[in-house]
Amino acid sequence: DAKTTQPTSMDCAEGRAANLPCNHSTISGNEYVYWYRQIHSQGPQYIIHGLKNNETNEMASLIITEDRKSSTLILPHATLRDTAVYYCIVRYLNRDDKIIFGKGTRLHILP
Amino acid sequence: NAGVMQNPRHLVRRRGQEARLRCSPMKGHSHVYWYRQLPEEGLKFMVYLQKENIIDESGMPKERFSAEFPKEGPSILRIQQVVRGDSAAYFCASSPPPGGTEAFFGQGTRLTVV
Repeated sequence: DAKTTQPTSMDCAEGRAANLPCNHSTISGNEYVYWYRQIHSQGPQYIIHGLKNNETNEMASLIITEDRKSSTLILPHATLRDTAVYYCIVRYLNRDDKIIFGKGTRLHILP
Repeated sequence: NAGVMQNPRHLVRRRGQEARLRCSPMKGHSHVYWYRQLPEEGLKFMVYLQKENIIDESGMPKERFSAEFPKEGPSILRIQQVVRGDSAAYFCASSPPPGGTEAFFGQGTRLTVV
């Protein structure tokens, strides 16, 4: 079973920041938070991951709370092409650990 | 650096036939995951392999399904005696050895059983 909970769906206006929350209250000290997205029927796409510090790359920013029980993925300027299902996943990094997908959040970007 | 390659992209099989799905990982990646996605549903983990070894097959159906990742060549997901309920998208992902970072996914094989 997935170790995360996410809202089923969210809307965001094009050009605005999309903030996607994720709860992972049972995360252990060595588990990382990963985000993937799946754009209609395509293969999942890696977005970003982090342990406890905030992370930023060309796609998004990841904000992890100090207690690590929740995180937020931020798409700074959402476009229509960001419409997708976004998955928050926790997994160990330096060991053999499968990737378990939950139901994710269906993000709709509105023109 | 080519991404994860899956073939065929689309596969049609009659009930009772065998389906073979291939996954070529990214260069330097030694680990492969397989997932199944039924229409309008989420991604279900099936199996996690490294070369010549199955690490975790807890998501594999007990019958008709098998997976391998030989020393040379692609990973193969094999479905024997397919049934209509096997119709789905099958995705594979590859990653470096543990200690590496993210896993990269292929574009999937759409299996249709008629």
